[in-house]
Amino acid sequence: DGGITQSPKYLFRKEGQNVTLSCEQNLNHDAMYWYRQDPGQGLRLIYYSQIVNDFQKGDIAEGYSVSREKKESFPLTVTSAQKNPTAFYLCASSTLTRRRTEAFFGQGTRLTVV
Amino acid sequence: SQQGEEDPQALSIQEGENATMNCSYKTSINNLQWYRQNSGRGLVHLILIRSNEREKHSGRLRVTLDTSKKSSSLLITASRAADTASYFCATDKGQGQAGTALIFGKGTTLSVSS
Repeated sequence: DGGITQSPKYLFRKEGQNVTLSCEQNLNHDAMYWYRQDPGQGLRLIYYSQIVNDFQKGDIAEGYSVSREKKESFPLTVTSAQKNPTAFYLCASSTLTRRRTEAFFGQGTRLTVV
Repeated sequence: SQQGEEDPQALSIQEGENATMNCSYKTSINNLQWYRQNSGRGLVHLILIRSNEREKHSGRLRVTLDTSKKSSSLLITASRAADTASYFCATDKGQGQAGTALIFGKGTTLSVSS
């Protein structure tokens, strides 16, 4: 089945730790995105990538890092510099055609600082 | 920066009634999309309307777009309990080039009771 997979579903981080959230897609999409969702805040863009080995910062990139070594994969690292990382993280992908098409989302990773 | 703002923030209706949600945005757009999110899950694409379209239908969904007022509405007819979810409008970051990120509003939470 084609789709976009995020793992793990739940993740717990201790203060000062870096953690990496996985996002894999087999839709052959060029573009991939990371969003953060807090209650009542909607989705906020962290990073996005249109091509392998290239990515752009979104509105809230501080304290996060990404890599795009393969077309299928776009992992997000939440570093210790992110002071309030507890949130629901969503990964998405879309085609890179001249006209906008829909984005496909993973099921999300809920990160909690303990 | 959030481009779209949905209204109302929350909506409670009975099964069989129609539900209308509105979205206002700030800058000119090439297209606007609506997504649905069940609690704790990823987003699912519902419908995309382009700037040269005024109305679009998909099953029980009807979307309108008024570019002069920078607003869109989503109408769900004959609501069912299964329509209970959060609904988000999304527009393109920048000039709408393919692959640019989607910017989401804060969403409308719809509750449909039987």
